[in-house]
Amino acid sequence: NAGVTQTPKFQVLKTGQSMTLQCAQDMNHEYMSWYRQDPGMGLRLIHYSVGAGITDQGEVPNGYNVSRSTTEDFPLRLLSAAPSQTSVYFCASRHKYSNQPQHFGDGTRLSIL
Amino acid sequence: AQRVTQPEKLLSVFKGAPVELKCNYSYSGSPELFWYVQYSRQRLQLLLRHISRESIKGFTADLNKGETSFHLKKPFAQEEDSAMYYCALSGRDTGNQFYFGTGTSLTVIP
Repeated sequence: NAGVTQTPKFQVLKTGQSMTLQCAQDMNHEYMSWYRQDPGMGLRLIHYSVGAGITDQGEVPNGYNVSRSTTEDFPLRLLSAAPSQTSVYFCASRHKYSNQPQHFGDGTRLSIL
Repeated sequence: AQRVTQPEKLLSVFKGAPVELKCNYSYSGSPELFWYVQYSRQRLQLLLRHISRESIKGFTADLNKGETSFHLKKPFAQEEDSAMYYCALSGRDTGNQFYFGTGTSLTVIP
């Protein structure tokens, strides 16, 4: 199993541009989540999904959209990039029971100029 | 509400010394607690979860419901333990979502 795969690994955008961060998992996990990691702030939940067709907002959803058309894929869209969105983005997946751990991707390092 | 608190942002210990990374939580139900480790510029990896009561890489963690703590301990630190450590909580009352602490950066001095 590849686990959780994120693409791209690095990206530089200009303010106002849009882009999609891709995330795919091959473990048939029901739950998928997007986090951003910023120095001194830990991981903050952006959006999450408990199954195909179901998404919900996390702690910091503004400026981001998600969709979950399949169990495997959970893309994150930046609608109009802003410098405040410069961060490292991690996708994670897990089985639906609360005692199951999260599995993380390698992250996408995003810089907005 | 802050669900997971890691009071130390930075922690330095000498090689061979004991290390304890603190984690306190706030949760009304029965929590599921985890420790994750992130080596430099890598993905987060599961280190421990309290239901397993296992020791990984010499680390252990005990859930203390009275003190609402889940501190991570290792009796003899190694240089390869230098990393970022995150405590995380999940449970039915959180909608099975994970809440992470802000992390502790551990440096083991040779």
